[in-house]
Order: sequence, then structure tokens, then C-alpha cells
Amino acid sequence: DAGVIQSPRHEVTEMGQEVTLRCKPISGHNSLFWYRQTMMRGLELLIYFNNNVPIDDSGMPEDRFSAKMPNASFSTLKIQPSEPRDSAVYFCASSPRLAGPRKNTGELFFGEGSRLTVL
Amino acid sequence: GIQVEQSPPDLILQEGANSTLRCNFSDSVNNLQWFHQNPWGQLINLFYIPSGTKQNGRLSATTVATERYSLLYISSSQTTDSGVYFCAVAVDAGGTSYGKLTFGQGTILTVHP
Repeated sequence: DAGVIQSPRHEVTEMGQEVTLRCKPISGHNSLFWYRQTMMRGLELLIYFNNNVPIDDSGMPEDRFSAKMPNASFSTLKIQPSEPRDSAVYFCASSPRLAGPRKNTGELFFGEGSRLTVL
Repeated sequence: GIQVEQSPPDLILQEGANSTLRCNFSDSVNNLQWFHQNPWGQLINLFYIPSGTKQNGRLSATTVATERYSLLYISSSQTTDSGVYFCAVAVDAGGTSYGKLTFGQGTILTVHP
């Protein structure tokens, strides 16, 4: 089975440019998460979708960051304008659907990440 | 928010040695996972273990939820086990935050041949 697919794997851009990161979750998973990893802050959650609806975006650093999930098989994380401090590895993860009142199992499966360098 | 502490921060082993990694957390959790981040940066899901014991080959994990800790055991370590091991936890706040994981800072494991 295909895992979580992210693109691009590496992105180098100049300050002020728009960056779009893409994610395809595992088929059948109903929750999608965007995490960011830096040396200073470790792994931190940016935003979380359930059934394509944003549930918690409290981790999004500022208005320059936005995320969308137009359908169950695709999500984007956009940074506009980008800054050098946005340089990090951005991970997308998905979680499987569980029948019953719980919206997902909570077990996360990560993509390989997108390494962003903003010069 | 919930605090996650992992120990030791660094661990150096010779191939074939056994090791135990520990994860302490500050509150009751409904979700606990162990991940391995390999030298290429990939985050591999090792165990989903909010309670109890699980084994997968040379790796096993135990979570004692009532005492707020989890242990990851690596037996007969191999050089491919090198990398960073993360513990991550979540508290279910009404069923909407089940996957909202808080990560520890990780244990850096180096296995020498």
C-alpha cells in the first residue's frame, strides 16, 4: 500500500517567494496533520484536519501560513511570503478512520517530509 | 500543555548490545506512539501503544499509563537501528484531538559495528 506522499522532497527558494507543499494521505484515512521539524523547536503540530475540515490551526505560526484540504486525498500547506526562519522539514501525516464516536484512531503515519530552505 | 521527557538524550552502543529508552509524560494520555527517525529523516511508526506491551522482532515496548511512562526495548542492536527515537503522546479532549501528538525531544542512538 502507498504511504503518505509528499512533494516536493526538497525546495530551495528566496525570501519573499511563495511556497506550496503538497500531501496525499493514505487512502481511507480521515485525518491529516501538518507538522514542522526544526533543530530548535523539534516536531510541532501546525494544523490538523478531520474529514477535510480544519479542526485545530493553533500551531500555524502566523498569517503567512495557510493550509487547505479540498478533498480527502489532497492537502496543501502554503507560505506566502516565505522567510529564512521558515526553513525546516515539513511533514504530513494521516490517521485511519475508526468506526464509532471517535473520529480517528490517533495512530499517525508520516510522509517522508519536504525540506524547505529559504535563502 | 502536556510535557514529554525522554531519556537518555544520547546513547552509543556496540552492535549486538541491548538498550532501553524511556519516555515520561506529565498527564494521562489516550495515545502514545514510538517513532524512529532514520539518518535520511524518515519518521517510521514503530509502535502505537497507549497501554500494555507489544513486540515487533527485536523491538518491544511497554506503556504503564497509570504511572505515566513508556519504555522501548531494543535487543541485539544493529547499525541500521541508528537514528533518533521519538515518543509522542496525545490526550483525547472529546474525541477531536486524538492525533494531536506532542513529541519528546528524542533519544539519539548510535550503533557502532
